[in-house]
Amino acid sequence: QQQVKQSPQSLIVQKGGISIINCAYENTAFDYFPWYQQFPGKGPALLIAIRPDVSEKKEGRFTISFNKSAKQFSLHIMDSQPGDSATYFCAASFEDRKLIWGLGTSLAVNP
Amino acid sequence: SAVISQKPSRDICQRGTSLTIQCQVDSQVTMMFWYRQQPGQSLTLIATANQGSEATYESGFVIDKFPISRPNLTFSTLTVSNMSPEDSSIYLCSVVTGGPYEQYFGPGTRLTVT
Repeated sequence: QQQVKQSPQSLIVQKGGISIINCAYENTAFDYFPWYQQFPGKGPALLIAIRPDVSEKKEGRFTISFNKSAKQFSLHIMDSQPGDSATYFCAASFEDRKLIWGLGTSLAVNP
Repeated sequence: SAVISQKPSRDICQRGTSLTIQCQVDSQVTMMFWYRQQPGQSLTLIATANQGSEATYESGFVIDKFPISRPNLTFSTLTVSNMSPEDSSIYLCSVVTGGPYEQYFGPGTRLTVT
Protein backbone atom coordinates (compact mmCIF):
# COMPACT_ATOMS: atom_id res chain seq x y z
CA GLN A 1 0.00 0.00 0.00
CA GLN A 2 1.54 3.25 -1.13
CA GLN A 3 1.32 5.81 1.62
CA VAL A 4 2.57 8.79 -0.38
CA LYS A 5 1.02 9.43 -3.79
CA GLN A 6 2.92 11.70 -6.17
CA SER A 7 1.78 13.31 -9.39
CA PRO A 8 2.39 13.86 -12.20
CA GLN A 9 4.68 11.02 -13.22
CA SER A 10 6.37 13.27 -15.77
CA LEU A 11 6.34 16.98 -16.46
CA ILE A 12 7.61 19.15 -19.29
CA VAL A 13 8.03 22.87 -18.63
CA GLN A 14 9.44 25.70 -20.69
CA LYS A 15 12.43 27.60 -19.39
CA GLY A 16 11.26 30.35 -17.07
CA GLY A 17 8.00 28.61 -16.28
CA ILE A 18 6.70 27.23 -13.00
CA SER A 19 6.99 23.51 -12.27
CA ILE A 20 4.47 22.11 -9.81
CA ILE A 21 4.60 18.61 -8.34
CA ASN A 22 1.98 17.35 -5.93
CA CYS A 23 1.96 14.74 -3.19
CA ALA A 24 -0.76 13.37 -0.97
CA TYR A 25 -0.40 11.27 2.15
CA GLU A 26 -2.72 9.23 4.29
CA ASN A 27 -1.06 8.78 7.65
CA THR A 28 -1.46 11.79 9.95
CA ALA A 29 1.43 10.50 12.08
CA PHE A 30 3.93 11.71 9.49
CA ASP A 31 5.86 14.63 10.93
CA TYR A 32 8.38 15.57 8.28
CA PHE A 33 7.98 16.07 4.53
CA PRO A 34 11.12 16.42 2.40
CA TRP A 35 11.62 16.78 -1.31
CA TYR A 36 14.62 15.21 -3.00
CA GLN A 37 16.19 15.90 -6.38
CA GLN A 38 17.99 13.11 -8.18
CA PHE A 39 20.14 13.33 -11.27
CA PRO A 40 20.98 10.20 -13.31
CA GLY A 41 23.73 8.18 -11.67
CA LYS A 42 23.60 10.16 -8.42
CA GLY A 43 22.05 9.63 -5.03
CA PRO A 44 19.00 11.70 -4.05
CA ALA A 45 19.87 15.17 -2.76
CA LEU A 46 17.78 16.87 -0.10
CA LEU A 47 16.23 19.92 -1.72
CA ILE A 48 13.81 21.38 0.79
CA ALA A 49 11.64 20.07 3.62
CA ILE A 50 8.76 21.12 5.81
CA ARG A 51 7.15 20.14 9.09
CA PRO A 52 3.36 20.07 9.51
CA ASP A 53 3.22 23.14 11.75
CA VAL A 54 4.19 25.35 8.79
CA SER A 55 2.06 26.01 5.69
CA GLU A 56 4.79 27.22 3.38
CA LYS A 57 8.57 27.22 3.14
CA LYS A 58 10.65 28.94 0.50
CA GLU A 59 14.31 28.48 -0.36
CA GLY A 60 15.42 30.39 -3.42
CA ARG A 61 13.34 29.29 -6.39
CA PHE A 62 11.92 26.29 -4.52
CA THR A 63 8.76 26.50 -2.39
CA ILE A 64 6.88 23.84 -0.48
CA SER A 65 3.18 24.44 0.12
CA PHE A 66 1.63 22.29 2.84
CA ASN A 67 -2.08 21.72 3.45
CA LYS A 68 -2.50 19.72 6.63
CA SER A 69 -6.29 19.41 6.46
CA ALA A 70 -6.16 18.08 2.90
CA LYS A 71 -3.09 15.95 3.66
CA GLN A 72 -1.33 17.33 0.63
CA PHE A 73 1.94 19.09 -0.08
CA SER A 74 3.48 20.39 -3.24
CA LEU A 75 6.78 21.59 -4.66
CA HIS A 76 6.87 24.73 -6.78
CA ILE A 77 9.95 25.51 -8.85
CA MET A 78 9.86 29.11 -10.00
CA ASP A 79 11.72 30.31 -13.09
CA SER A 80 12.48 26.71 -14.05
CA GLN A 81 15.86 26.19 -15.73
CA PRO A 82 17.22 23.37 -17.93
CA GLY A 83 19.56 22.50 -15.05
CA ASP A 84 16.49 21.66 -12.96
CA SER A 85 15.78 18.71 -15.25
CA ALA A 86 15.89 15.74 -12.91
CA THR A 87 13.67 13.32 -11.04
CA TYR A 88 11.97 14.73 -7.98
CA PHE A 89 10.74 12.61 -5.09
CA CYS A 90 8.50 13.62 -2.26
CA ALA A 91 8.70 11.68 0.96
CA ALA A 92 7.30 11.57 4.45
CA SER A 93 8.67 10.20 7.68
CA PHE A 94 7.62 9.20 11.14
CA GLU A 95 9.51 9.78 14.37
CA ASP A 96 11.78 6.86 13.50
CA ARG A 97 13.00 8.86 10.49
CA LYS A 98 12.24 6.08 8.00
CA LEU A 99 11.35 7.74 4.71
CA ILE A 100 8.23 6.69 2.81
CA TRP A 101 8.70 7.73 -0.81
CA GLY A 102 6.51 8.89 -3.63
CA LEU A 103 7.06 7.25 -7.00
CA GLY A 104 8.88 10.24 -8.45
CA THR A 105 8.32 12.88 -11.12
CA SER A 106 10.60 13.19 -14.11
CA LEU A 107 10.94 16.89 -14.90
CA ALA A 108 12.22 18.15 -18.23
CA VAL A 109 12.76 21.87 -18.68
CA ASN A 110 13.00 22.85 -22.32
CA PRO A 111 15.42 25.66 -23.19
CA SER B 1 25.10 17.87 5.80
CA ALA B 2 27.70 15.10 5.56
CA VAL B 3 30.09 13.68 3.02
CA ILE B 4 29.07 10.09 2.34
CA SER B 5 31.05 7.71 0.17
CA GLN B 6 30.18 4.25 -1.05
CA LYS B 7 32.38 1.50 -2.42
CA PRO B 8 32.22 0.10 -5.00
CA SER B 9 30.43 2.60 -7.19
CA ARG B 10 29.36 -0.20 -9.49
CA ASP B 11 29.97 -3.90 -10.01
CA ILE B 12 28.94 -6.74 -12.24
CA CYS B 13 28.63 -10.03 -10.38
CA GLN B 14 27.87 -13.63 -11.18
CA ARG B 15 24.70 -15.31 -10.00
CA GLY B 16 25.20 -17.10 -6.66
CA THR B 17 28.03 -14.89 -5.42
CA SER B 18 27.98 -12.19 -2.74
CA LEU B 19 28.97 -8.54 -2.77
CA THR B 20 29.74 -6.30 0.19
CA ILE B 21 29.01 -2.60 -0.17
CA GLN B 22 30.72 -0.12 2.11
CA CYS B 23 29.35 3.18 3.35
CA GLN B 24 31.66 5.71 4.99
CA VAL B 25 30.57 9.01 6.56
CA ASP B 26 32.89 11.90 7.41
CA SER B 27 31.27 12.46 10.81
CA GLN B 28 29.69 10.37 13.52
CA VAL B 29 26.00 9.73 12.93
CA THR B 30 23.47 7.86 14.99
CA MET B 31 20.99 6.88 12.33
CA MET B 32 22.01 5.11 9.15
CA PHE B 33 19.79 3.38 6.61
CA TRP B 34 20.19 1.17 3.55
CA TYR B 35 17.86 1.56 0.56
CA ARG B 36 17.41 -0.14 -2.79
CA GLN B 37 16.37 1.65 -5.96
CA GLN B 38 15.52 -0.10 -9.20
CA PRO B 39 16.57 2.05 -12.18
CA GLY B 40 13.89 4.60 -12.96
CA GLN B 41 11.92 3.76 -9.84
CA SER B 42 11.49 4.95 -6.29
CA LEU B 43 13.46 3.95 -3.22
CA THR B 44 12.68 1.06 -0.92
CA LEU B 45 14.05 0.87 2.61
CA ILE B 46 15.95 -2.34 3.29
CA ALA B 47 16.98 -1.85 6.90
CA THR B 48 18.11 0.46 9.65
CA ALA B 49 21.75 -0.11 10.55
CA ASN B 50 22.09 0.06 14.32
CA GLN B 51 25.48 0.67 15.87
CA GLY B 52 26.47 -2.13 18.20
CA SER B 53 23.40 -4.26 17.57
CA GLU B 54 21.63 -6.15 14.82
CA ALA B 55 20.07 -4.23 11.98
CA THR B 56 16.32 -3.78 11.86
CA TYR B 57 14.88 -5.11 8.60
CA GLU B 58 11.79 -4.00 6.72
CA SER B 59 9.14 -6.40 5.53
CA GLY B 60 10.40 -8.45 2.62
CA PHE B 61 14.07 -8.21 3.56
CA VAL B 62 15.90 -10.76 5.72
CA ILE B 63 19.25 -10.84 7.44
CA ASP B 64 20.41 -14.00 5.67
CA LYS B 65 20.04 -12.28 2.29
CA PHE B 66 21.18 -8.78 3.31
CA PRO B 67 23.49 -8.99 6.34
CA ILE B 68 24.48 -5.57 7.64
CA SER B 69 27.31 -4.55 9.90
CA ARG B 70 27.72 -1.25 11.74
CA PRO B 71 30.95 -1.45 13.75
CA ASN B 72 31.07 2.28 14.59
CA LEU B 73 29.26 5.58 14.07
CA THR B 74 30.93 6.38 10.72
CA PHE B 75 30.86 3.10 8.83
CA SER B 76 28.49 0.36 7.71
CA THR B 77 28.43 -2.48 5.22
CA LEU B 78 25.61 -4.17 3.37
CA THR B 79 26.17 -7.60 1.86
CA VAL B 80 23.97 -8.90 -0.93
CA SER B 81 24.23 -12.67 -0.60
CA ASN B 82 23.63 -15.49 -3.06
CA MET B 83 22.78 -12.99 -5.75
CA SER B 84 20.27 -13.48 -8.53
CA PRO B 85 19.47 -11.18 -11.47
CA GLU B 86 16.52 -9.84 -9.44
CA ASP B 87 19.07 -8.25 -7.09
CA SER B 88 20.30 -5.99 -9.87
CA SER B 89 19.63 -2.54 -8.50
CA ILE B 90 21.16 0.59 -7.03
CA TYR B 91 21.95 0.31 -3.33
CA LEU B 92 22.13 3.51 -1.30
CA CYS B 93 23.09 4.31 2.23
CA SER B 94 21.76 7.35 4.03
CA VAL B 95 22.40 9.11 7.32
CA VAL B 96 20.47 11.51 9.52
CA THR B 97 22.67 14.46 10.36
CA GLY B 98 22.72 18.25 10.43
CA GLY B 99 19.44 18.23 12.34
CA PRO B 100 16.98 15.76 13.82
CA TYR B 101 15.21 15.16 10.52
CA GLU B 102 17.58 15.81 7.63
CA GLN B 103 18.60 12.66 5.80
CA TYR B 104 21.44 12.61 3.30
CA PHE B 105 22.34 9.95 0.77
CA GLY B 106 25.49 8.44 -0.58
CA PRO B 107 26.12 8.27 -4.33
CA GLY B 108 24.89 4.70 -4.58
CA THR B 109 26.31 1.39 -5.76
CA ARG B 110 24.99 0.11 -9.08
CA LEU B 111 24.89 -3.68 -9.00
CA THR B 112 24.31 -5.85 -12.03
CA VAL B 113 23.93 -9.61 -11.56
CA THR B 114 24.42 -11.84 -14.60
